[in-house]
Amino acid sequence: SQTIHQWPATLVQPVGSPLSLECTVEGTSNPNLYWYRQAAGRGLQLLFYSVGIGQISSEVPQNLSASRPQDRQFILSSKKLLLSDSGFYLCAWSTTGFSGNTIYFGEGSWLTVV
Amino acid sequence: GQSLEQPSEVTAVEGAIVQINCTYQTSGFYGLSWYQQHDGGAPTFLSYNALDGLEETGRFSSFLSRSDSYGYLLLQELQMKDSASYFCAGGLNTGFQKLVFGTGTRLLVSP
Repeated sequence: SQTIHQWPATLVQPVGSPLSLECTVEGTSNPNLYWYRQAAGRGLQLLFYSVGIGQISSEVPQNLSASRPQDRQFILSSKKLLLSDSGFYLCAWSTTGFSGNTIYFGEGSWLTVV
Repeated sequence: GQSLEQPSEVTAVEGAIVQINCTYQTSGFYGLSWYQQHDGGAPTFLSYNALDGLEETGRFSSFLSRSDSYGYLLLQELQMKDSASYFCAGGLNTGFQKLVFGTGTRLLVSP
C-alpha cells in the first residue's frame, strides 16, 4: 500500500531563518506531488506541484521554493522566513494523470515563525 | 476565477442528519470531491462525484448538479467523531490532480 510521510511535524523558526520540509512517498512510482499551505482556520492553498523529477510549478508568488530531487521525494524550502509563512504545510500525492479528484495528504507540518 | 463557497459552521446533535452545501463559480471543474479534516490532522478523502447525481458511501452521501454549480455532502446518523471540518474541492483537468478547495465548513456534533 502507498504511504506518505513528511517531517518535521512541528517547528518554530525565527524570522529570517531558512526552512526545509521534506516529504517522501512509498509504494508508488511517478506520483504527482503537491505542497499545500493552510492558515489557521482557513482553506487549503496549493503552493507547488510536480509531475516528475526536477519539474516544479509554482501557483503563487512567494519566498518559498520546492524541489524534487528523486521520484518520490519533495522538499519545500525557504532562504529567509517571514512571519506570514506561519501555517500548516501539507505534502500530498496523487497517481499520474486523472484519478477522480483523489489526492492523499501527509500528516502535515506546523510552522510557527516568530 | 475559481472559487467554492461553503457555510462556515454547522451544528447538529448525535443521530441527526446534516447537509453541507457547496456552490462554485467556474466552468472548468470536471468533478467535485469532499475531504474531512479533524483538528490538527490532515485532510482525508471522503467521496467524489464525477457526474450529476447522488453517490453513497456508508453514512455519507454526496450530490452534484453541474448545471446548478452546486453540490452537497449529507451525513446521516451523526456521531461525535464526525465533528471536523469538511471541504469540497473542484478538480481541474490540467494533466494532473489540480484541486481547488472550498472555504470549509466546521461541523460541531453535540450529545
